[in-house]
Amino acid sequence: GAVVSQHPSRVICKSGTSVKIECRSLDFQATTMFWYRQFPKKSLMLMATSNEGSKATYEQGVEKDKFLINHASLTLSTLTVTSAHPEDSSFYICSARPQGQGYGYTFGSGTRLTVV
Amino acid sequence: QKEVEQNSGPLSVPEGAIASLNCTYSDRGSQSFFWYRQYSGKSPELIMFIYSNGDKEDGRFTAQLNKASQYVSLLIRDSQPSDSATYLCAVNNGGSNYQLIWGAGTKLIIKP
Repeated sequence: GAVVSQHPSRVICKSGTSVKIECRSLDFQATTMFWYRQFPKKSLMLMATSNEGSKATYEQGVEKDKFLINHASLTLSTLTVTSAHPEDSSFYICSARPQGQGYGYTFGSGTRLTVV
Repeated sequence: QKEVEQNSGPLSVPEGAIASLNCTYSDRGSQSFFWYRQYSGKSPELIMFIYSNGDKEDGRFTAQLNKASQYVSLLIRDSQPSDSATYLCAVNNGGSNYQLIWGAGTKLIIKP
């Protein structure tokens, strides 16, 4: 149980375009999802907390107008990287957890974004 | 600033030996502690979580928690080359809605 599906796994886009990444909880409802970014050989960096039915909470230094988060249902959160630039190239990963103490946080498989 | 500290390694362990990974945390309000394994280019995979002081065993893995010392560890028995990965320690942020505070990870190398 507790499967999180993330798509696409890999995307290459041109500078100035936008890219949408989807994160779905397949067998549980997730009122909260987390979006992370990870650069090569670096640790996870929390970008934002996605809350179903309300605005996302962004970490300090993360531009909310550039990284648009929509959590429209209990099983789907999307991250849109708008007007992408080469410095946005990174590994983006979402995470969620079923309610209750008996579960850990499950990660999606990640999206490798390359902006050319 | 709430922090989770891990030795970055690499930690090199012979195959079949016990690998010991350590983590300290600063937030005394933390109640949940997690160990993740991350292979290069992949997303983190949950190995174990622990809430209570003491040991928790799952197969070859044992998590140990000492809240008084703010210390959590992961032991891997009978280490295999496939255990070679980066191990991430995460601790819940005692003051927020399920946010985790992450260590930078320890790179573990199991030598055949």
